[in-house]
Amino acid sequence: QVQLQESGPGLVKPSQTLSLTCSVSGGPISSGTYYWSWIRQHPGKGLEWIGYIYYTGSTYYNPSLKTRVAISVDTSNNQFSLRLSSVTAADMAVYYCARLFEIINGRVRYFDLWGRGTLVTVSS
Amino acid sequence: DIQMTQSPSSVSASVGDRVTISCRASQDISNFLAWYQQKPGKAPNLLIYTASTLQSGVPSRFSGSGSGTDFTLTISSLQPEDIATYYCQQGDSFPSTFGQGTKLEIK
Repeated sequence: QVQLQESGPGLVKPSQTLSLTCSVSGGPISSGTYYWSWIRQHPGKGLEWIGYIYYTGSTYYNPSLKTRVAISVDTSNNQFSLRLSSVTAADMAVYYCARLFEIINGRVRYFDLWGRGTLVTVSS
Repeated sequence: DIQMTQSPSSVSASVGDRVTISCRASQDISNFLAWYQQKPGKAPNLLIYTASTLQSGVPSRFSGSGSGTDFTLTISSLQPEDIATYYCQQGDSFPSTFGQGTKLEIK
């Protein structure tokens, strides 16, 4: 079955760029039904959708992070990546990659598959 | 952004009890509502989508109801493995947003 796995540095210095990659195994990232997302969870807090990328490269970013976020896709290696620039302590969180099932008429369905998550700490 | 408010923030119940968790949206979201279960140290797991459709493999003791602004997640007979935090998520309007979570504990 399809699995997602996050990878990347667990420690980032303030003002630097956080970079994470999500490897998709067991199925093609180019499946037309799915949108590949990043979601984060601050320690002991709720969930925040960062954005998504479609296999064609089209993206959506949460307006709260839009000026600092970039999500890219590498279909040849079946993976997608997150870059978050100018990080501060407020960006310390567990970052999940997740598969979003369908967007219909501008409405999002649900996240049906998640990676295990990776904790990113921001500290000098 | 649409605000999703869950109640209660935490609940304590006994094995076998019926448990209900509420989720209220700040505006009409039709039935674009999903529920997730998150166990400590794990990723969220989809339980219910489109307000009332049970995800494949999820025990039938879980059910969802509601439409518009008010939604409910019900566990008909609480089991020890149901101890977790539960989140609702709306998909009617971008950006999709989550409730703050309801922590379920065993009494």
